[in-house]
Amino acid sequence: AQSVTQLGSHVSVSEGALVLLRCNYSSSVPPYLFWYVQYPNQGLQLLLKYTTGATLVKGINGFEAEFKKSETSFHLTKPSAHMSDAAEYFCAVSGYSSASKIIFGSGTRLSIRP
Amino acid sequence: DAGVIQSPRHEVTEMGQEVTLRCKPISGHDYLFWYRQTMMRGLELLIYFNNNVPIDDSGMPEDRFSAKMPNASFSTLKIQPSEPRDSAVYFCASSAPGLAGGPSTDTQYFGPGTRLTVL
Repeated sequence: AQSVTQLGSHVSVSEGALVLLRCNYSSSVPPYLFWYVQYPNQGLQLLLKYTTGATLVKGINGFEAEFKKSETSFHLTKPSAHMSDAAEYFCAVSGYSSASKIIFGSGTRLSIRP
Repeated sequence: DAGVIQSPRHEVTEMGQEVTLRCKPISGHDYLFWYRQTMMRGLELLIYFNNNVPIDDSGMPEDRFSAKMPNASFSTLKIQPSEPRDSAVYFCASSAPGLAGGPSTDTQYFGPGTRLTVL
């Protein structure tokens, strides 16, 4: 079984500051990890994903995330926030199993201060 | 490809009425998912299909909800009768098979959603 916890339902940073959105997971099988972004009045779209291989994953719009097995974490970062990054971000986990379903976290709303 | 298409984008109805939401997945995708998003409960998976067959409907809240996929390019989610607590945004998503052959490892492509308001 899989589960995911996003720490902080709302994060606010200044434009140009570091963005850090936290995600911890649990999984009984090797995990596959995702970050999705949802802009207002839109569906979710994939930001990045980790399946196997390199633990540092780069995504769209300058975001990246690092899979840390020892910490069961997959935190999302961006060195310099832009106003257009304001959105809701969802971490998700699934497992390398034909029976696994993807489980989404509760989401973190990112606000950017001018 | 046009992406996942959902209709209508907005639906306002009165309690007790039947509501039908529609979805056209991306061509070639084997999996189709229906989600519901509310402030209180977040994003919930209601049901998913593989090759037009319902695989897991454990997330369907009650018998008032039903979903069908008569062919690879069309699915419906029906609520009958509708209630005010059904008000939410309903998303359809589709994906190709994952590396393990299941629904879990490949990217899901979401439609724009249908915002349902039941008065």
